[in-house]
Amino acid sequence: AQSVAQPEDQVNVAEGNPLTVKCTYSVSGNPYLFWYVQYPNRGLQFLLKYITGDNLVKGSYGFEAEFNKSQTSFHLKKPSALVSDSALYFCAVRNSGYALNFGKGTSLLVTP
Amino acid sequence: SQTIHQWPATLVQPVGSPLSLECTVEGTSNPNLYWYRQAAGRGLQLLFYSVGIGQISSEVPQNLSASRPQDRQFILSSKKLLLSDSGFYLCAWSVGSDTQYFGPGTRLTVL
Repeated sequence: AQSVAQPEDQVNVAEGNPLTVKCTYSVSGNPYLFWYVQYPNRGLQFLLKYITGDNLVKGSYGFEAEFNKSQTSFHLKKPSALVSDSALYFCAVRNSGYALNFGKGTSLLVTP
Repeated sequence: SQTIHQWPATLVQPVGSPLSLECTVEGTSNPNLYWYRQAAGRGLQLLFYSVGIGQISSEVPQNLSASRPQDRQFILSSKKLLLSDSGFYLCAWSVGSDTQYFGPGTRLTVL
């Protein structure tokens, strides 16, 4: 079964510093990987995806993610964090059908 | 552009009462539609998905059911709610197996 793991429940970053939210995957075959963000009491917003091609994927709001096949990782990054980036971040992998399998989420707190 | 609507936004229901949550998508045809539940905490669990009118696949056996009476309408129902049905219900759509886009969600509290 396709799965992802987010090893950190919470990540704290000072505003202006770079941020990384970690995700590792376990799949058979080629992974289709996604990052979503969720603000309190809101739906999930799509940030970016990796299907194939360039290992560095650029997405919305200045976020990017690096696909690393040897480390089976797909970490989300941003060069300079904003307070408004504080939210819950989910990594997901598409399974053999249509469903997405989500990680448990990482809460990002950016302090002024 | 495509938009997805869910209603109601919040709902408080007694145990044993029926449930009907609605999701509609605009701006696309023949989308795949999904119902997820996010329990207290964080985890998202796929409940149902549909690739066409009248076609429903269930991922988790439970007292919930789903229907797709029209191409862009997806309904989540229950005849008798349980306390454990409380949660945040999210509808999503996609074109085929491409990126899923989520609605604003419905917060359900069963008392």
